[in-house]
Amino acid sequence: DAGVTQSPTHLIKTRGQHVTLRCSPISGHKSVSWYQQVLGQGPQFIFQYYEKEERGRGNFPDRFSARQFPNYSSELNVNALLLGDSALYLCASSLDRGTFGYTFGSGTRLTVV
Amino acid sequence: GQNIDQPTEMTATEGAIVQINCTYQTSGFNGLFWYQQHAGEAPTFLSYNVLDGLEEKGRFSSFLSRSKGYSYLLLKELQMKDSASYLCAVRGGYGGATNKLIFGTGTLLAVQP
Repeated sequence: DAGVTQSPTHLIKTRGQHVTLRCSPISGHKSVSWYQQVLGQGPQFIFQYYEKEERGRGNFPDRFSARQFPNYSSELNVNALLLGDSALYLCASSLDRGTFGYTFGSGTRLTVV
Repeated sequence: GQNIDQPTEMTATEGAIVQINCTYQTSGFNGLFWYQQHAGEAPTFLSYNVLDGLEEKGRFSSFLSRSKGYSYLLLKELQMKDSASYLCAVRGGYGGATNKLIFGTGTLLAVQP
């Protein structure tokens, strides 16, 4: 069985640009959560989606948005990129909203120059 | 507020035992997770505690005291491959984000020969 798949693995963008990150959860999992991990820090919660609806939002500006599709895959969009958005973006897949734990993908390393 | 504290770095010797402590103060609590993260890779699940006491899983054990807001991860028979960052995470929050994971900054463990 495939694990949590994220694409792309690495990305370099310029300040002010827009980026879209993608995540496919484990087959049968209905929830996807997004986390931002800055170098040397623990992951910070951005969004959780369950059954295609937003179920939680962290303390991030409106430049960050996400959605979940009928097949439960998800996209994270970031507009007007800032240098401080450079981070590892992790997607976590869970069967429901997290009762049975979370499985993380390998992440997308975003560098903003 | 939300606060999770764990030591930044620890060093231990191959074959020895190491204990990584975690203290937390969060607005909600619905379980505590420990994850292992090698540099540039996804966090991988190690253990989960929701009730007080010790959970043992092979070379890894985790303890929780909810009244003290305290947990530890115990690693026995250390191996070189155990060199990694260990993340303590509380599931909780407030409002609509009650299933988010709140992470500490991680403890970087170096296992020496």
